[in-house]
Amino acid sequence: AQSVAQPEDQVNVAEGNPLTVKCTYSVSGNPYLFWYVQYPNRGLQFLLKYITGDNLVKGSYGFEAEFNKSQTSFHLKKPSALVSDSALYFCAVREAGGYQKVTFGIGTKLQVIP
Amino acid sequence: GAVVSQHPSRVICKSGTSVKIECRSLDFQATTMFWYRQFPKQSLMLMATSNEGSKATYEQGVEKDKFLINHASLTLSTLTVTSAHPEDSSFYICSASEGQYYEAFFGQGTRLTVV
Repeated sequence: AQSVAQPEDQVNVAEGNPLTVKCTYSVSGNPYLFWYVQYPNRGLQFLLKYITGDNLVKGSYGFEAEFNKSQTSFHLKKPSALVSDSALYFCAVREAGGYQKVTFGIGTKLQVIP
Repeated sequence: GAVVSQHPSRVICKSGTSVKIECRSLDFQATTMFWYRQFPKQSLMLMATSNEGSKATYEQGVEKDKFLINHASLTLSTLTVTSAHPEDSSFYICSASEGQYYEAFFGQGTRLTVV
C-alpha cells in the first residue's frame, strides 16, 4: 500500500526566510509525486509535480521540490517566504502507470510571520 | 492550470433528503474523476474513482448506495448523497485528470450541512 508522511503539523517561518515543508512517501513502484495548497474552505490548488526527469522540480508561486529516491522524500521549498504563502500544504503520491489512486498526506499548516 | 468547477459551493439540506453535487472540467477532457471527503483538520479521504462511461470504483467502507457517482461524459461527474444524515455533513471535493501522466485538478469543494 502506498502512503505519504508529512511529519510536521505546522511550520512557522518569518517572512523573507526560506521555507521547507517535509514529505516522505512509500510506494511499490515508481512514484508520481505532487504538492497542493489549500486555502480555508477552498479546494486544492496544484503547485508542482514530479513524474520523471530532473529531481528538482519548479512550480507555481516560486515553489520548488526535490525528489530524493534514496531517502524517498519530496520536500517542498521556497527561497523567500511571503505572508500570502500561509496555507495548508498537501503532499501526494501515486504509483506510476494506470489509473492509480492518489494518496494524500495529512497536510502541513504553513504560517508565515510578518 | 486547468479549471474544474464544482457546484454548489455550499448546501444545507434536511435530514432524509438527497443532494447532488456537480463537478465539471471546463477546458479539458477528464477521463478520470475522483471524489474526496475532507473532515476538519484532516486529510482528504478518497471516496471513489470514476472513469467516463463506466461504473465508479468505491473505496473500502464507502457505501455505494448512499454516495451515487455518475460520470456520464468526459466533462461531468456527479455525486449524489442519498437520504442524507447529519453525519454526512462534510467538505466534499472532486478532482479531474486527463490521464495517467497528468496531475489532477481540484474543484473548489462543497460544504454540505445536513440539519
